[in-house]
Amino acid sequence: SQTIHQWPATLVQPVGSPLSLECTVEGTSNPNLYWYRQAAGRGLQLLFYSVGIGQISSEVPQNLSASRPQDRQFILSSKKLLLSDSGFYLCAWSVPGQDYNEQFFGPGTRLTVL
Amino acid sequence: GQNIDQPTEMTATEGAIVQINCTYQTSGFNGLFWYQQHAGEAPTFLSYNVLDGLEEKGRFSSFLSRSKGYSYLLLKELQMKDSASYLCAVRDSNYQLIWGAGTKLIIKP
Repeated sequence: SQTIHQWPATLVQPVGSPLSLECTVEGTSNPNLYWYRQAAGRGLQLLFYSVGIGQISSEVPQNLSASRPQDRQFILSSKKLLLSDSGFYLCAWSVPGQDYNEQFFGPGTRLTVL
Repeated sequence: GQNIDQPTEMTATEGAIVQINCTYQTSGFNGLFWYQQHAGEAPTFLSYNVLDGLEEKGRFSSFLSRSKGYSYLLLKELQMKDSASYLCAVRDSNYQLIWGAGTKLIIKP
C-alpha cells in the first residue's frame, strides 16, 4: 500500500531564517507530487506541483521554492522566511494518467513564523 | 477568474441530515471532488463527480449539475465524528484542482 510522510509535524522559525520541509511517498512510482499551503480558516493554495524528477511547476510567485531530487521525494524550501509564510503545509500525491486523479495527503507541517 | 463558493459554517443536530452546497466558476471542468478535513489534520477523499447526477456512498451522497456550476454534499444520520470541514474542489481545464475555503460543520447532540 502507498504511504506519504511529511516532517517535521510542527515548526517554529524566526523571520529571516531558512526552511526545508520534506515529503516522501512509498509504494508507488512516478507519482504526481504537490505542495499546498492552508492559512487558518482558508482553503488550500497550490504552491508547486511536479510530474517527474527535476520537473517543478510554480503556481504562485513567492519566496518559496521546491525541488524533486528523487522520484518519491519532494522538498519545499525558503532562504528567508516571512511572517506571511505561517500556515499548514500539506504534501500530496496522485497517480499520473488516471482520469480519477484523487489526491492523497500527508499529515502536514504546521509552520509558525515569529 | 476561478472561484469556488461554499458556506463558511453550518450547524446540524446529531441524527439529522445536512446539505452542504458548492458553486463554482472555473476555466473548464474535469470533475469535482469533496474532501473531509478534521481540525489539524490532512484532508481525506469523500467523493468524485464528473457527470451530472447523484453519487451515493453510504451515509454520504454528492450531486453535480454542470450546467448550473453546482454541487452539494449530503450527509445523513449525522454522527458527532462528522464534525469537520468539508472542502469542495474542481479540476479545471489544466487538470489542476481549484479549492474552496471549506465549510465547517458543527454537530450538536
